Amino acid sequence: DAGVIQSPRHEVTEMGQEVTLRCKPISGHDYLFWYRQTMMRGLELLIYFNNNVPIDDSGMPEDRFSAKMPNASFSTLKIQPSEPRDSAVYFCASSPGQVGYTFGSGTRLTVV
Amino acid sequence: GESVGLHLPTLSVQEGDNSIINCAYSNSASDYFIWYKQESGKGPQFIIDIRSNMDKRQGQRVTVLLNKTVKHLSLQIAATQPGDSAVYFCAENMRGGSQGNLIFGKGTKLSVKP
Repeated sequence: DAGVIQSPRHEVTEMGQEVTLRCKPISGHDYLFWYRQTMMRGLELLIYFNNNVPIDDSGMPEDRFSAKMPNASFSTLKIQPSEPRDSAVYFCASSPGQVGYTFGSGTRLTVV
Repeated sequence: GESVGLHLPTLSVQEGDNSIINCAYSNSASDYFIWYKQESGKGPQFIIDIRSNMDKRQGQRVTVLLNKTVKHLSLQIAATQPGDSAVYFCAENMRGGSQGNLIFGKGTKLSVKP
């Protein structure tokens, strides 16, 4: 099992540009989570899906952020337009149920 | 609001010694707790978990202790090794909460001196 796969590993973009982060969860996992990690705020849940359906997006900072899960094996997190304060490491995690989150290696986003 | 916090942001120990990482939680409704390890450049990795109907759980070289009276969680690592150097996070899940209600603490950095 390759685990949770995220791409790209690193992304540097200019303010105002659109950024798309990608995640492939572990096969068979019903839950998918997007987290953001910064030194100041730690790990914050942005949104999570169950069976491809968004369940709770209350952590999404603002309308510039959107997430989709078109099928069980793929999810995207999009930021449009990006701002310097969006710079962080974004993690995707998946889980088969109530326990056992598996995190991906993250995407380090830098907005200049 | 409710939050998970850590007593010590950094911890330095000698190789071979035991390590104890502490965590305070404030949500009395939390019934499930997890410790994660995060190495540099990697995502958090599950170490061990415990439910609120237990006060102790042991894994390989790790033990988690839960004191519900004072809302305190600790992770003990026996015979700490250089490979244990990482940031350790506790996380809590609220009773009856949805899967997404996993709240992470800020983390404690563990440094192991050879």
